[in-house]
Amino acid sequence: AQSVTQLGSHVSVSEGALVLLRCNYSSSVPPYLFWYVQYPNQGLQLLLKYTSAATLVKGINGFEAEFKKSETSFHLTKPSAHMSDAAEYFCAVSELSQGGSEKLVFGKGTKLTVNP
Amino acid sequence: EAQVTQNPRYLITVTGKKLTVTCSQNMNHEYMSWYRQDPGLGLRQIYYSMNVEVTDKGDVPEGYKVSRKEKRNFPLILESPSPNQTSLYFCASSFSTDYEQYFGPGTRLTVT
Repeated sequence: AQSVTQLGSHVSVSEGALVLLRCNYSSSVPPYLFWYVQYPNQGLQLLLKYTSAATLVKGINGFEAEFKKSETSFHLTKPSAHMSDAAEYFCAVSELSQGGSEKLVFGKGTKLTVNP
Repeated sequence: EAQVTQNPRYLITVTGKKLTVTCSQNMNHEYMSWYRQDPGLGLRQIYYSMNVEVTDKGDVPEGYKVSRKEKRNFPLILESPSPNQTSLYFCASSFSTDYEQYFGPGTRLTVT
């Protein structure tokens, strides 16, 4: 079964600093990979998605992620953090289950704090 | 407006009293799923449905039931709730797992 590991349950950066949130997955074939963001007291919304068209994926709000097959990683970055980026971020991967249907597996999340 | 709605948004109940959390989407999506979110554990999938009358267990299905009689609705049923089911629940829908999941606003359930 697929697994998704997000290194660091909490990440703290200063406003204007680089944001780097790490995600590694286990898979023998390139999966579909996603990053979702959850702002306080809200549901999740899609930041970006990898579908094998390009290894560098650009998302909303200036975020991007790079798919590295050799490292089975899909790290999320943003060059300059803004206060409004404070949220919890989830990496997810879709996989085929034993019954042949698909399911989505989420990482445990990384809470990003942005300090003024 | 494209959306996923859940009701109720907040619920406090007692152990053993059956409850249903409704989920409805207006985007004609085939795929729907339920997740629970707990601190430090992230989102864990409870059940999912590929289409009408097609459901499958996720990672934490014990104590839950679902049905998919209509494409737009995917209710979550707790026949005999227990305190360990106190959690924040999210319903989501999409055309498939390869596509963006649209999440509902969440239902905060407390079982005493």
